[in-house]
Amino acid sequence: GAGVSQSPSNKVTEKGKDVELRCDPISGHTALYWYRQSLGQGLEFLIYFQGNSAPDKSGLPSDRFSAERTGGSVSTLTIQRTQQEDSAVYLCASSLGFPVLDRGHEQYFGPGTRLTVT
Amino acid sequence: RKEVEQDPGPFNVPEGATVAFNCTYSNSASQSFFWYRQDCRKEPKLLMSVYSSGNEDGRFTAQLNRASQYISLLIRDSKLSDSATYLCVVNGPTGRRALTFGSGTRLQVQP
Repeated sequence: GAGVSQSPSNKVTEKGKDVELRCDPISGHTALYWYRQSLGQGLEFLIYFQGNSAPDKSGLPSDRFSAERTGGSVSTLTIQRTQQEDSAVYLCASSLGFPVLDRGHEQYFGPGTRLTVT
Repeated sequence: RKEVEQDPGPFNVPEGATVAFNCTYSNSASQSFFWYRQDCRKEPKLLMSVYSSGNEDGRFTAQLNRASQYISLLIRDSKLSDSATYLCVVNGPTGRRALTFGSGTRLQVQP
């Protein structure tokens, strides 16, 4: 079946502009996650959505970052007034969101959006 | 102390070698453990989940030691195509359902 998709694949923007990144999770997955990865670095957790529960925003680095998930499916990550240090690959992942026997927590990643702030 | 710690490597091994990676985690309440693989400039892909009893998938064997809070991955008969960064992944910290990723161990299999 279709995997996680993200758009755009690449985004170049000028410092100070706002950007929106989109994620389409795997159909039927109730959990959705955003991470970012700077060049040569590990994954940094940003935000997590689970069903209709309040999102876990504990990883958002500043109030310039926000995310929403409409209808329990598509999610948009918005970065306002972008800065050069926001340049990174933004990865979205989804999972079933509930345990099925020993499984259900595995996360499947989209190809990412490479954001460059000039 | 980092929540998930891995030796960054790189591990340079010849084709056909057996190589093992270890990973330690700090949250004793963690319940889910995984190994992911990430190729250069690509997204992480799930390699295998790690179960309490240990599990094997072809040339790959994963073990979990809860008492010592470490996870291992063994790769037998290394192939050139195994060259990648291997990420140790644990759920947590407590109260947060997102996974915590180690920084990865880089493997380079040489002909």
